Amino acid sequence: DAGVIQSPRHEVTEMGQEVTLRCKPISGHDYLFWYRQTMMRGLELLIYFNNNVPIDDSGMPEDRFSAKMPNASFSTLKIQPSEPRDSAVYFCASSSHTRGGRSSLGANVLTFGAGSRLTVL
Amino acid sequence: GENVGLHLPTLSVQEGDNSIINCAYSNSASDYFIWYKQESGKGPQFIIDIRSNMDKRQGQRVTVLLNKTVKHLSLQIAATQPGDSAVYFCAETRRPLSGYSTLTFGKGTMLLVSP
Repeated sequence: DAGVIQSPRHEVTEMGQEVTLRCKPISGHDYLFWYRQTMMRGLELLIYFNNNVPIDDSGMPEDRFSAKMPNASFSTLKIQPSEPRDSAVYFCASSSHTRGGRSSLGANVLTFGAGSRLTVL
Repeated sequence: GENVGLHLPTLSVQEGDNSIINCAYSNSASDYFIWYKQESGKGPQFIIDIRSNMDKRQGQRVTVLLNKTVKHLSLQIAATQPGDSAVYFCAETRRPLSGYSTLTFGKGTMLLVSP
């Protein structure tokens, strides 16, 4: 398996522009997570999906952020309009309750993508 | 910039030494803990986990210790190698009887291993 695939790896944009980040989870995983990482706040959960349905979006900073999962193999995180304070590394992660990716304790383990580094000027 | 004045705790060791990375967790109700390793330019990667009914768990070259009394976790890495250089995060959660509970990540510790 190629793991969780994110694109783009790097994005530099100007304030006010729309940004779309993409994620392909591991095939068969039924949970998908979007995290944001900054030095100030560390890793923050933005939103997660189960079977393509958003379960908890309480971490989404504000209305400028939206996430979708139109099918089991694809998700997007969109920022419109972008602001300099959105600059961060955005990670997508997936896990499965029923298939693989379990630790020896039986707990499902998050597998992270390599991240998308966003810089908003 | 947002990084001014803020640095990750850093542990510098020599190759071959044993490393101990500490983590204080916040929620006394948490019953499951994980250590992740994040190398430069990559996403966090699972290392080892432990349940609250355990005090210690060993993996390959790594040991996690849990002290629930003081809400403290540690990750011990034996015979540290340059490839162990990374940021290490602890994460905690309280697993529900059904459904899913999300992880809360600590701020991380940077481990630097010198040859």
